[in-house]
Amino acid sequence: QVQLQESGPGLVKPSQTLSLTCTVSGGSISSGGYYWNWIRQHPGKGLEWIGYIYYSGSTYYNPSLKNRVTISVDTSKNQFSLKLSSVTAADTAVYYCGRDGESTGYHDWFDPWGQGTLVTVSS
Amino acid sequence: DIQMTQSPSSLSASVGDRVTITCRASQNISRHLNWYQQKPGKAPKLLIYVASSLQSGVPSRFSGSGSGTDFTLTISSLQPEDFATYYCQQSYSVPLTFGGGTKVEIK
Repeated sequence: QVQLQESGPGLVKPSQTLSLTCTVSGGSISSGGYYWNWIRQHPGKGLEWIGYIYYSGSTYYNPSLKNRVTISVDTSKNQFSLKLSSVTAADTAVYYCGRDGESTGYHDWFDPWGQGTLVTVSS
Repeated sequence: DIQMTQSPSSLSASVGDRVTITCRASQNISRHLNWYQQKPGKAPKLLIYVASSLQSGVPSRFSGSGSGTDFTLTISSLQPEDFATYYCQQSYSVPLTFGGGTKVEIK
């Protein structure tokens, strides 16, 4: 079955760019019909959807973060990545990657999820 | 954006209790509503999709209902492993949004 795994630095300095990668195993990221998402959770808080990259390469970002977010895909490595620029302490969170589909004609549901990775923004 | 409002934000219940959590959308989302369970330090786990479909491997004591703007997650007989935080999520339109969560604690 498809599994996702996040990786990247756990500590980022303020004003720098947060970079994370999600490695997909058990299936091809370019096989079609799926959205590859980033979601974050501030400590002790709820879930916030960041954005997705579609298997075709098209992207959509949450307007609340739009100007700072870039999601890209590397099909040769079966990975997709998140870059969040100009970070502040408010970007400290656990970052998850997750897959959803389009079988319903809309977005489907997030499954599977990666285990999550904590990123702390601090000098 | 579609706002998702869960209630209650927390509840205390005993093993064997019937538990109901509600989720309200700020506009009609048909049945594009999913439920997740999250335990401390773990990623959310899909329980229910498209309002009432039980994810494979999820115990049948979990059920979902609703359509339009009002949805319910029911645990028919609470088990020790069900103490967790539950989130609803709308998949009708982007940006995809989650409810604020309901923490189910031991009474």
